[in-house]
Amino acid sequence: DTAVSQTPKYLVTQMGNDKSIKCEQNLGHDTMYWYKQDSKKFLKIMFSYNNKELIINETVPNRFSPKSPDKAHLNLHINSLELGDSAVYFCASSSSGYTDTQYFGPGTRLTVL
Amino acid sequence: GESVGLHLPTLSVQEGDNSIINCAYSNSASDYFIWYKQESGKGPQFIIDIRSNMDKRQGQRVTVLLNKTVKHLSLQIAATQPGDSAVYFCAETPSPGGGADGLTFGKGTHLIIQP
Repeated sequence: DTAVSQTPKYLVTQMGNDKSIKCEQNLGHDTMYWYKQDSKKFLKIMFSYNNKELIINETVPNRFSPKSPDKAHLNLHINSLELGDSAVYFCASSSSGYTDTQYFGPGTRLTVL
Repeated sequence: GESVGLHLPTLSVQEGDNSIINCAYSNSASDYFIWYKQESGKGPQFIIDIRSNMDKRQGQRVTVLLNKTVKHLSLQIAATQPGDSAVYFCAETPSPGGGADGLTFGKGTHLIIQP
């Protein structure tokens, strides 16, 4: 069974479009995250979320918004896509302790044309 | 801002040899450190972690060393195998205070295992 899954695996779209990436975890974790990995492989936290609190990295444009329908899902919505949004986006989850291991999904490669 | 970084972008070793991947961090308040392995086309995978109250921790074929004096972290992989070829990241979490904080990753080292 896949612990953290994301869909789609690949997403190619035009500038200006709005798109969503879905994430689901079946680990029973109460905290989920979104990370962005750029072309140089640098990974950066975008959001962390549990059922009580959303923590937003201040460098993330407000065109990006996480939405959590329930504890097992954290979707990423992106409005008005720009060329610079092209990257690989990873979802992760963990229990709520800061030393609890974060488990990553397989990633979604977003290409904005 | 403070960050976690790696010294070498690429490391090539012969199969069977030991490898050492280094990481420097700048936040002296960092409390918890993790090494992740990322294979091509996959998400990062947890390898081993260490708390700031420890100097060394061993796993299966891997050892993490922490030198708080010089703010240096290293990952040693013994008897490397072809499957060890990947990009390795060190990461740290902020000081205790919030379980929902994300990880701060270093830039990554690409480990190549030569046959």
